Amino acid sequence: GENVEQHPSTLSVQEGDSAVIKCTYSDSASNYFPWYKQELGKRPQLIIDIRSNVGEKKDQRIAVTLNKTAKHFSLHITETQPEDSAVYFCAASIWKPDTGNQFYFGTGTSLTVIP
Amino acid sequence: EAGVTQFPSHSVIEKGQTVTLRCDPISGHDNLYWYRRVMGKEIKFLLHFVKESKQDESGMPNNRFLAERTGGTYSTLKVQPAELEDSGVYFCASSPWRPPEKLFFGSGTQLSVL
Repeated sequence: GENVEQHPSTLSVQEGDSAVIKCTYSDSASNYFPWYKQELGKRPQLIIDIRSNVGEKKDQRIAVTLNKTAKHFSLHITETQPEDSAVYFCAASIWKPDTGNQFYFGTGTSLTVIP
Repeated sequence: EAGVTQFPSHSVIEKGQTVTLRCDPISGHDNLYWYRRVMGKEIKFLLHFVKESKQDESGMPNNRFLAERTGGTYSTLKVQPAELEDSGVYFCASSPWRPPEKLFFGSGTQLSVL
């Protein structure tokens, strides 16, 4: 099955700096890559996603890049703010017409933005 | 639109007892997933329902875990008898069958087995 690895496990940045979280996956059939943010005591929330036919996607201060050849994808947060502090999870998903979606998650990155 | 709801939010039980977790997915979502996260580890897949059918239960740890989704609506996950290693946060998530297959999570049930 698919194996998703995520690094780093913890990350501290100064407010205003950029943060980068990296994930790799093993199954070349994976075709959808969402990122989730989980604030303390809350549910994981989808913040951005990318499909395998796209190399980069941006939404305000958040961007995701995908390298299908190398099987890795990254989350970039620019101009970080204290409210960006949370645990971030990457995931790789394979959709098949007979079984639907299967999602595989990374181990999470705890991001702390220091004011 | 109501999100995915889970009940209870916390459960503390003793080893050997039974606990039943409930999940109400977003209305119209055929896919329902159960996941578990142990502190510092990944969100680990347990099983996947498509409507009322178990599509994939390869992640279920053992036969002490039983999941149902009667009528293709809400789902329950029963642990009987509970063991210490069952502690963790149990997440339910749902998504539509067809793309865009965005996955929506519930708030989770924090299970502590003492």
